[in-house]
Amino acid sequence: DSGVTQTPKHLITATGQRVTLRCSPRSGDLSVYWYQQSLDQGLQFLIQYYNGEERAKGNILERFSAQQFPDLHSELNLSSLELGDSALYFCASSVAGTENTGELFFGEGSRLTVL
Amino acid sequence: GQNIDQPTEMTATEGAIVQINCTYQTSGFNGLFWYQQHAGEAPTFLSYNVLDGLEEKGRFSSFLSRSKGYSYLLLKELQMKDSASYLCAVTGGGNKLTFGTGTQLKVEL
Repeated sequence: DSGVTQTPKHLITATGQRVTLRCSPRSGDLSVYWYQQSLDQGLQFLIQYYNGEERAKGNILERFSAQQFPDLHSELNLSSLELGDSALYFCASSVAGTENTGELFFGEGSRLTVL
Repeated sequence: GQNIDQPTEMTATEGAIVQINCTYQTSGFNGLFWYQQHAGEAPTFLSYNVLDGLEEKGRFSSFLSRSKGYSYLLLKELQMKDSASYLCAVTGGGNKLTFGTGTQLKVEL
C-alpha cells in the first residue's frame, strides 16, 4: 500500500460524457502528479501540482483539467470523452516539488472505459 | 524533449541474471529512475541514479553513464515474481519525469 488513494477504481461511461477522478496523496506529500497509461503508449505525464499550484504540464488535452485543493487532494476532470480516452489514470505523490529529489508513490489507478 | 528506448520484451530463467538496458536523450538531466509494474497494478520505485556508477540494492542494481545516455537494471537470482514490466524514467529540463514504454520481463522455470 503506497498510501496514495484513488477513486473510483473502475469507471465506465459513454462518449461525450464528463468524469472526475479523485486522488488523495500520502500524508505529508505536497506534490501530486497525474499520468495516463494506455496499452500502446506507456505512462504519459499529464500534469503536476505542488501545494495547490500547477508546477509542470505534460501532454494534457484541453478537454482535461485538474486542480489541487487546500487539503492537498487532487481531482482530474475529463470532458467530452472519446473512445481513445479509455486508459488507466494514475495519480502519484511525492514530498518534494521537483521529481528529481525523490521517488514517486503511485496510487492503484482509475480504469476508465469509454463506450 | 526527451526520448527513452528500452527493449519491449525479455525472457529469462528462474535463478539467472538479466540486464535490462535503457538509452535516453534529454535536454537537461536531473536523474534516472527504474520502476517495476505488475500487470494492472501501480508502478513501484526500484532505484534512482543521478551520478555515474552502480547503485546496488539487494538483488537489484542500477547503473548510469550520463556521457553515454545509458542505464541498465540488473536483476540477480531471478524469481517468478520478478515477471513484470520494468520502466525506465528520466527527469530532464522542466523537472518532468518521462517514462519509457517499459520492458516486459518474463521469468520461466
